Amino acid sequence: GESVGLHLPTLSVQEGDNSIINCAYSNSASDYFIWYKQESGKGPQFIIDIRSNMDKRQGQRVTVLLNKTVKHLSLQIAATQPGDSAVYFCAETLYNFNKFYFGSGTKLNVKP
Amino acid sequence: SAVISQKPSRDICQRGTSLTIQCQVDSQVTMMFWYRQQPGQSLTLIATANQGSEATYESGFVIDKFPISRPNLTFSTLTVSNMSPEDSSIYLCSVLSGSTGELFFGEGSRLTVL
Repeated sequence: GESVGLHLPTLSVQEGDNSIINCAYSNSASDYFIWYKQESGKGPQFIIDIRSNMDKRQGQRVTVLLNKTVKHLSLQIAATQPGDSAVYFCAETLYNFNKFYFGSGTKLNVKP
Repeated sequence: SAVISQKPSRDICQRGTSLTIQCQVDSQVTMMFWYRQQPGQSLTLIATANQGSEATYESGFVIDKFPISRPNLTFSTLTVSNMSPEDSSIYLCSVLSGSTGELFFGEGSRLTVL
């Protein structure tokens, strides 16, 4: 299917390595953040979220770090697998505002 | 999680025509949104589809170009009017889970305007 990552920055990693994907968000008042994974031809899928009262949250093989001082999010994927190849987006919102705004995205390419 | 179905999944359209995209959710949801994803780019919020009232549009999007209907809590439509090649994009319906705050997406409708 048509790729959604034609013009996005690309991160290439070897299978088994750890990946770190970064995102700068825009609104210092945002208090809820989500990382999404988008495979070719599909809609974005929720990976992990974090609220602004936390600076780290762990899931299965994934960790999200939040640095509010510099408005920066990162997604760490442990032991990256070929199935992790996709485009990754961060999204921010004011929790009570209920509107989500998306960052520019990063294409992750996992080499076997 | 909500299951979201969009129709059509893809279409090729002629310049100057209009196309309506449908979004059906398997449960009642308060918040529904429409996003656009241009080739190789991120998602841009078009509007919030409000049940029983006019949609709330983001800056740069207007009702005449993107009329939206939301007749009930499980269904919405987005029309892309008077299409030009610049409207070639993926259009995505999304819903907000009231219990978790998560935003779920449909598979998208891929429009190509010739």
